[in-house]
Amino acid sequence: GENVEQHPSTLSVQEGDSAVIKCTYSDSASNYFPWYKQELGKGPQLIIDIRSNVGEKKDQRIAVTLNKTAKHFSLHITETQPEDSAVYFCAAGKSTFGDGTTLTVKP
Amino acid sequence: DAGITQSPRHKVTETGTPVTLRCHQTENHRYMYWYRQDPGHGLRLIHYSYGVKDTDKGEVSDGYSVSRSKTEDFLLTLESATSSQTSVYFCAISENPGRGETQYFGPGTRLLVL
Repeated sequence: GENVEQHPSTLSVQEGDSAVIKCTYSDSASNYFPWYKQELGKGPQLIIDIRSNVGEKKDQRIAVTLNKTAKHFSLHITETQPEDSAVYFCAAGKSTFGDGTTLTVKP
Repeated sequence: DAGITQSPRHKVTETGTPVTLRCHQTENHRYMYWYRQDPGHGLRLIHYSYGVKDTDKGEVSDGYSVSRSKTEDFLLTLESATSSQTSVYFCAISENPGRGETQYFGPGTRLLVL
């Protein structure tokens, strides 16, 4: 089955700085890579996704890059704001999630 | 939460008792999932359903059973709860995993087994 590793487990940045979270996957047949944001006490919500026929996708301050050869993909958040503080999960394959990254943005 | 409700939202029970969690959707999505979330383990798939009466096991299915008698409802049952099943349980739905696995999650059920 698919295996997803996510790093780092915690990330603290100053407001306005960029944040990068990386994930690697094991199954080369995986073709869909979503990122979810989970705020305290709530369920995860999709924030951006990418399919294997695309190398990069951007939505305002959020971008995702995919390297199929190396089997890794990354979430980039620019100009971070305190409301970006949350737990972020990557996923690959049918329903395999990374262990999550707790992002803290300090004002 | 994309028309997904979970009940109860919180439950405290004792070891050995049966527990049923309910997920209800109003989106008419074909696929439904049950996950558990524990510190350090992210989200782990328990069972999923790909249609009425069609279910399959996930990564951590031992000790759990599911049923789906209607499109909108997916039940998760702990036949005899154990302390290791203390967790937060999330239901999710998906329209067409073949075109990508976007899943929409419910608000979660926090279960404490004493």
